[in-house]
Amino acid sequence: GNSVTQMEGPVTLSEEAFLTINCTYTATGYPSLFWYVQYPGEGLQLLLKATKADDKGSNKGFEATYRKETTSFHLEKGSVQVSDSAVYFCALRSPAGNMLTFGGGTRLMVKP
Amino acid sequence: GAGVSQSPSNKVTEKGKDVELRCDPISGHTALYWYRQSLGQGLEFLIYFQGNSAPDKSGLPSDRFSAERTGGSVSTLTIQRTQQEDSAVYLCASSFGGGTANYGYTFGSGTRLTVV
Repeated sequence: GNSVTQMEGPVTLSEEAFLTINCTYTATGYPSLFWYVQYPGEGLQLLLKATKADDKGSNKGFEATYRKETTSFHLEKGSVQVSDSAVYFCALRSPAGNMLTFGGGTRLMVKP
Repeated sequence: GAGVSQSPSNKVTEKGKDVELRCDPISGHTALYWYRQSLGQGLEFLIYFQGNSAPDKSGLPSDRFSAERTGGSVSTLTIQRTQQEDSAVYLCASSFGGGTANYGYTFGSGTRLTVV
């Protein structure tokens, strides 16, 4: 079956540091890949997505590249801000299915 | 409406009482999902609707939990005889259904349920 594995948090960084949150997946076929963000006290919001191999999703300074050869979709940002503190969820959706499979989430804490 | 709407946003109930949580999806989204998020935890899948039918109920934790969807739109999640371990944020999401894997879900803001 499908599965998503994320690095465990919390990840604590200083403002302006470089961020990487690792995400790897197991799936049949060519799934679509997503990153969702959950700010404190709020619901999940779609951050970015990629729908085929080598696609790069980007939004708000965050990027992730769909790597079929390594089955990965790592989230990166060059310079984090305090306002980026949130929980980040990696997810996949199979072409034939309706379900999103989520990773366990990674909490990011950015300190001034 | 423009987004997924959930009500109430907060609910405090006494142990043993029944509660109903409502989700109003985005118009045109045929698929609707319920998830549960306990404090500091990830997302626990509960149930999925395609139209009014529920092809996957595998995540419902016990027979105290049930859900329905009417008119291919609004869904209600009912928890009977609530227990303290039911305390969590219940999230609803909707999406275009079947064959449209390019689309993710749109989530509501959730209902925070506290059982005292």
